[in-house]
Amino acid sequence: SQTIHQWPATLVQPVGSPLSLECTVEGTSNPNLYWYRQAAGRGLQLLFYSVGIGQISSEVPQNLSASRPQDRQFILSSKKLLLSDSGFYLCAWSVDRGNYGYTFGSGTRLTVV
Amino acid sequence: QKEVEQDPGPLSVPEGAIVSLNCTYSNSAFQYFMWYRQYSRKGPELLMYTYSSGNKEDGRFTAQVDKSSKYISLFIRDSQPSDSATYLCAMRNTGNQFYFGTGTSLTVIP
Repeated sequence: SQTIHQWPATLVQPVGSPLSLECTVEGTSNPNLYWYRQAAGRGLQLLFYSVGIGQISSEVPQNLSASRPQDRQFILSSKKLLLSDSGFYLCAWSVDRGNYGYTFGSGTRLTVV
Repeated sequence: QKEVEQDPGPLSVPEGAIVSLNCTYSNSAFQYFMWYRQYSRKGPELLMYTYSSGNKEDGRFTAQVDKSSKYISLFIRDSQPSDSATYLCAMRNTGNQFYFGTGTSLTVIP
């Protein structure tokens, strides 16, 4: 069966520090991978998606970047965090475009102080 | 205007009640419709998906899509305390991006 792992679960980082969140998927090949941010009262915001190794599409211009160094690995990064980067970050995967939905990871609660 | 509108609640019902959760949308091109359940501090989990209009039933859950009114609903019968969560609707057209509602917080009181 397919599983998705996301870590860490909670992170507190000072303003200006770097960020690296990792997501891995098991039990499937060539998944579509996604990074979302969820803010209270604002729903889920798509940040990046990837349809293959090295292929990254950015939906929202911001202080973040994403990389996909391996088929089932998706990394969200920042060189210098801002207070506004605080939020709940979710990784997800789907088969193709996700006609039958996404499978989300357990999320990372990031607080920038 | 937001692509997807969802009443945030909170919604509080007694155990055993029928719950109705709703979303409206503005883009008539949306074809794929989903409902997710999200427990506190967890990632959303897919409950149901439907394509185009119509009803779909899965146990105590029924999803309805009315494309003419741009309105989707999720009904929960015989609600249980374990149904207490935030429910998110999501939808998309033929593109890659899903549009999510902001979620409705539901509490089922024993």
